[in-house]
Amino acid sequence: DQQVKQNSPSLSVQEGRISILNCDYTNSMFDYFLWYKKYPAEGPTFLISISSIKDKNEDGRFTVFLNKSAKHLSLHIVPSQPGDSAVYFCAASGVGSSGSARQLTFGSGTQLTVLP
Amino acid sequence: DVKVTQSSRYLVKRTGEKVFLECVQDMDHENMFWYRQDPGLGLRLIYFSYDVKMKEKGDIPEGYSVSREKKERFSLILESASTNQTSMYLCASTDRAGYTFGSGTRLTVV
Repeated sequence: DQQVKQNSPSLSVQEGRISILNCDYTNSMFDYFLWYKKYPAEGPTFLISISSIKDKNEDGRFTVFLNKSAKHLSLHIVPSQPGDSAVYFCAASGVGSSGSARQLTFGSGTQLTVLP
Repeated sequence: DVKVTQSSRYLVKRTGEKVFLECVQDMDHENMFWYRQDPGLGLRLIYFSYDVKMKEKGDIPEGYSVSREKKERFSLILESASTNQTSMYLCASTDRAGYTFGSGTRLTVV
């Protein structure tokens, strides 16, 4: 059973418009959430994160919203640019059974295509 | 910046071969991870290690083993490669601040 779900495998938006990527989770022990961006033939790179004590975090064009009651988070990209075209992974973390080694549980990813 | 280096970008191996995937990080991180990425499944954790000679199974450890003899190096071993292990393999290193991934190794088992 997937604990982190990204139900949209792909999303296309026009350059300049808003991109909204969604993520749902089921494990109420998750307390830290991250978004990663991945280009083909490269490893994922960290984009933005949010702690469960907050409901919003902004970094330039990127904003992540967390709705704990709905176990839902979303990533907004405004304005979207062609260079944002990539696979976006949502990830969640809780205190691991081994203590300091926090594990990440990833969603299946959403391919974002920003059309010029 | 933390660098996580995976020794091979592309590998082609035959069914039944023993395969070693190497990962080295240069920031003295305690925790290292191996994931595989498959279309529609995202990144799935194979094994992780939180100290030298320590290892723990992730979500999909079957068919794999790992070795952590030195802090900077975490090796993933496919004891007898099979075609269903064709995938993108990603190594990551982390301290409490966050994860850094390597560029990945695309393994094809024929």
